[in-house]
Amino acid sequence: DAKTTQPTSMDCAEGRAANLPCNHSTISGNEYVYWYRQIHSQGPQYIIHGLKNNETNEMASLIITEDRKSSTLILPHATLRDTAVYYCIAALNSGYSTLTFGKGTMLLVSP
Amino acid sequence: DVKVTQSSRYLVKRTGEKVFLECVQDMDHENMFWYRQDPGLGLRLIYFSYDVKMKEKGDIPEGYSVSREKKERFSLILESASTNQTSMYLCASSKGLTDTGEQYFGPGTRLTVT
Repeated sequence: DAKTTQPTSMDCAEGRAANLPCNHSTISGNEYVYWYRQIHSQGPQYIIHGLKNNETNEMASLIITEDRKSSTLILPHATLRDTAVYYCIAALNSGYSTLTFGKGTMLLVSP
Repeated sequence: DVKVTQSSRYLVKRTGEKVFLECVQDMDHENMFWYRQDPGLGLRLIYFSYDVKMKEKGDIPEGYSVSREKKERFSLILESASTNQTSMYLCASSKGLTDTGEQYFGPGTRLTVT
């Protein structure tokens, strides 16, 4: 799996958009970008994934650059409940592939 | 919604005891995973299974074994618990071989070995 690089921590004001960056410059052509988050004392929660195109679901949007070397997870209107560690992972989506979780970004949403 | 449940939220065992951690998923998923999470080390994959009676070693299988006799249930076994196995244990499942990365996690079991 390609290595990903994320900032250690970020702050966001409640109600504002939270933009979480991720670098994955060595990603291979068939690896997807996955985002998970982990709220304190809970198991990780799947958020979204994508290959080339931008993706949106009820939780977030994923913007992947054209060269696929970086991506941004966008939480459009952050709430206090979005305070969590966010993990960006590059991995295959088939076969016997597994996920490798790094240290992630600690997002603190403040009132 | 996918539901992954784990048998205990907190567990305290003594060194040398045999420990069973149970995980059950209710969405007919093919794949199941066991991770442990430690401060500063993040989540690490212990074992995974892509089918009943199948198992594959993850990154840190030493000291652990697993059992998958039924599709919905995946057990992690510590044959002789040691203090360095004190950790948060997380189980996950995913649909199948064409959707391996979208994993759904249970709430975790915090195991303390004294």
